[in-house]
Amino acid sequence: AAGVIQSPRHLIKEKRETATLKCYPIPRHDTVYWYQQGPGQDPQFLISFYEKMQSDKGSIPDRFSAQQFSDYHSELNMSSLELGDSALYFCASSLVPVIALGTQYFGPGTRLLVL
Amino acid sequence: AQKVTQAQTEISVVEKEDVTLDCVYETRDTTYYLFWYKQPPSGELVFLIRRNSFDEQNEISGRYSWNFQKSTSSFNFTITASQVVDSAVYFCALSEAGDSGGSNYKLTFGKGTLLTVNP
Repeated sequence: AAGVIQSPRHLIKEKRETATLKCYPIPRHDTVYWYQQGPGQDPQFLISFYEKMQSDKGSIPDRFSAQQFSDYHSELNMSSLELGDSALYFCASSLVPVIALGTQYFGPGTRLLVL
Repeated sequence: AQKVTQAQTEISVVEKEDVTLDCVYETRDTTYYLFWYKQPPSGELVFLIRRNSFDEQNEISGRYSWNFQKSTSSFNFTITASQVVDSAVYFCALSEAGDSGGSNYKLTFGKGTLLTVNP
């Protein structure tokens, strides 16, 4: 079965540089979530999109922005990178029917290292 | 606000032992969803199970079983006859609809339990 695709899988950047992470959800899934997992930490919710509209926002820095495109893929843009942004970034997708909750399936993650 | 507590930071067992991972949650919603995810050393997050708040039936899947008790706000996970391949960090997570009108179900994770199964 098709899974969530994230690219790139690994990324090394310098401080103050910009990074763009991409997420391709499972086909027909209409909701995308972004999470950040620091070393030894639990994943923290950043932002989500439902039908190409932002549906919720968590602890996402103002330096970060994201969007979901017409084909449902999503991009997380990170500017003015800081050392503390080094983390594993997960994208998850789900299908949210009107009544029931869709389970979130996670991509393999993008490991970002800021030097 | 929703909160998930996994009191066990690390557990170490010998292969074939049974092990239970504890999860206690807090939520103000009457409708919510509980999950367990496995994160092996390779880093990906693997979905294991989802339980709806209105369904208190326990579930068994092979060597895995889950015990959901609303009265104690707990959703514990038991691995029977553990194997070395079970070594991973296990996260319990909670989702509630909140004020989003049903379009967002962000996950709140516990801190995770590192399970090490030794041969």
